[in-house]
Amino acid sequence: AQKVTQAQTEISVVEKEDVTLDCVYETRDTTYYLFWYKQPPSGELVFLIRRNSFDEQNEISGRYSWNFQKSTSSFNFTITASQVVDSAVYFCALSEATGANNLFFGTGTRLTVIP
Amino acid sequence: SQTIHQWPATLVQPVGSPLSLECTVEGTSNPNLYWYRQAAGRGLQLLFYSVGIGQISSEVPQNLSASRPQDRQFILSSKKLLLSDSGFYLCAWSGDFGAPTDTQYFGPGTRLTVL
Repeated sequence: AQKVTQAQTEISVVEKEDVTLDCVYETRDTTYYLFWYKQPPSGELVFLIRRNSFDEQNEISGRYSWNFQKSTSSFNFTITASQVVDSAVYFCALSEATGANNLFFGTGTRLTVIP
Repeated sequence: SQTIHQWPATLVQPVGSPLSLECTVEGTSNPNLYWYRQAAGRGLQLLFYSVGIGQISSEVPQNLSASRPQDRQFILSSKKLLLSDSGFYLCAWSGDFGAPTDTQYFGPGTRLTVL
């Protein structure tokens, strides 16, 4: 069965601090895809990144970076030098190659960046 | 570029009343379409998805239904709302190539309150 766990329900950091959001997943498929979405107070989910199970290279995009480790089934997200605009709920999600592209979401981590 | 619209943005309905939420996508053809629900403080739950006109798959049994009368239109309905139907409803689309792992892009959502 598929499962995505985001153990951190809420995190608060002071502006300019670095913060890492954890994501652990479970799947029986050998081919799968992992995603991160950002949900600001407005509610819309904003796509941040997609990784496939065969590509374990870490990725950096500006202040955002992602660490994918198959050995620990983790796909963690780090924000460097956090800003107030980073305050949002962040969701990790899993999609398997079989099936109809169903996204399985974690319960989300609410990040508050304090100015 | 592709855009996705949802309306209404907010809705307050009494228990037992009908419901119709609409989602339309622009800038793409034959997209996969999805309805998700997010209950307060929780993750997203897939309700329905559609791979083409008139093709609807239900993920969770409930008193909701979905229809796809046109290629880029997806409608979520109910004949009689329950209190438990309250939540934030998000529509999403993914690419028209049939790949099961295309990224899903979300609309702005509809916040439904059932009283």
